Amino acid sequence: NAGVTQTPKFQVLKTGQSMTLQCAQDMNHNSMYWYRQDPGMGLRLIYYSASEGTTDKGEVPNGYNVSRLNKREFSLRLESAAPSQTSVYFCASKWGNEDTQYFGPGTRLTVL
Amino acid sequence: SQQGEEDPQALSIQEGENATMNCSYKTSINNLQWYRQNSGRGLVHLILIRSNEREKHSGRLRVTLDTSKKSSSLLITASRAADTASYFCATGLQTGANSKLTFGKGITLSVRP
Repeated sequence: NAGVTQTPKFQVLKTGQSMTLQCAQDMNHNSMYWYRQDPGMGLRLIYYSASEGTTDKGEVPNGYNVSRLNKREFSLRLESAAPSQTSVYFCASKWGNEDTQYFGPGTRLTVL
Repeated sequence: SQQGEEDPQALSIQEGENATMNCSYKTSINNLQWYRQNSGRGLVHLILIRSNEREKHSGRLRVTLDTSKKSSSLLITASRAADTASYFCATGLQTGANSKLTFGKGITLSVRP
């Protein structure tokens, strides 16, 4: 039982490049979330998916797109990366009506 | 917008001492949760308290919630060097089928051996 996994762990992009961050969970959770964490800030919600087939914007969705590929996988795409998107990205998931979220190890992204 | 505001921003204590961290929030909540983050790692859930509860315990952790003051505190008793980490409060709100957490900026706890 791996929990929540994220790939890659580290990535360096040039401004304007695109990439997809992958997230998968093996806990049969319904809801999945993408957050970003910047120095001196808490986690801010980018997008979430309450269930397979649905996605909704969070607090800071601009510049990102998401895909809930199936129940296990929730990907985050940067179409045209900007230096302001340099951050650590965390994926999280939770089951049904429970309130506790389970986090992945994070992806550290630098945009030059 | 940040819902939870933790206080203090940083705390340094000696091993064996108790650590108290506070969190204040602004709007109605369904629950309040505390998470720990070790350096370079993801967040780990510590404890959850619901809006109709006043106090909960889990091992060396004690959390209180005062909804009239919109505040919570986390007490770690008999701290250990391994408790050195960042601690975040997160307020939970259920809206229809959607459940979201809003995190504070975190408290850096250093426990000196």
